[in-house]
Amino acid sequence: KAGVTQTPRYLIKTRGQQVTLSCSPISGHRSVSWYQQTPGQGLQFLFEYFSETQRNKGNFPGRFSGRQFSNSRSEMNVSTLELGDSALYLCASSPGTGALYGYTFGSGTRLTVV
Amino acid sequence: DAKTTQPNSMESNEEEPVHLPCNHSTISGTDYIHWYRQLPSQGPEYVIHGLTSNVNNRMASLAIAEDRKSSTLILHRATLRDAAVYYCILAVYNQGGKLIFGQGTELSVKP
Repeated sequence: KAGVTQTPRYLIKTRGQQVTLSCSPISGHRSVSWYQQTPGQGLQFLFEYFSETQRNKGNFPGRFSGRQFSNSRSEMNVSTLELGDSALYLCASSPGTGALYGYTFGSGTRLTVV
Repeated sequence: DAKTTQPNSMESNEEEPVHLPCNHSTISGTDYIHWYRQLPSQGPEYVIHGLTSNVNNRMASLAIAEDRKSSTLILHRATLRDAAVYYCILAVYNQGGKLIFGQGTELSVKP
């Protein structure tokens, strides 16, 4: 059974650019959540999508956005990149309500902003 | 958001049991107790979760106090591959995918 797949694994972008990250959940999982991990702030929740609808959102500026497609694949977008956006971006999927089922995480996309 | 408290670090010897404690005194009735672990340069890995009763799976056991204000993750025989940061998290049933990660416990395993 394939796990959660995130692409690309590594990315280098310049300040001011925008970036799109992709997450393919485990087959049959309808919930996809996104997290940002930095050495200073640890793991922080960005947002969650369930059946193409954003169900929950963390405390991040509007430059961070996401969407989910009908096949449950999800993308997150960061516009007007800042140096502080350099981080490991992780997505996690769950069959339904994650509290009930648990979450499976991908290996992440390492974004470096220069 | 309900918070958890864990020791910053713990040490264990290989092939011995490890008990990782977690306090969650503000837990509410719909909060599930989740444990994840993270190795360097990898995403967190699900370990176990429960609501009220103790839980066992192939990786570990979860012992939940009767008042639910604390829990303990038990690794029955630590191996070198168990060295990781372990996160104890309260997952709120009606808040979907929102997990609030703390600093976790860094477990080191000595051969």
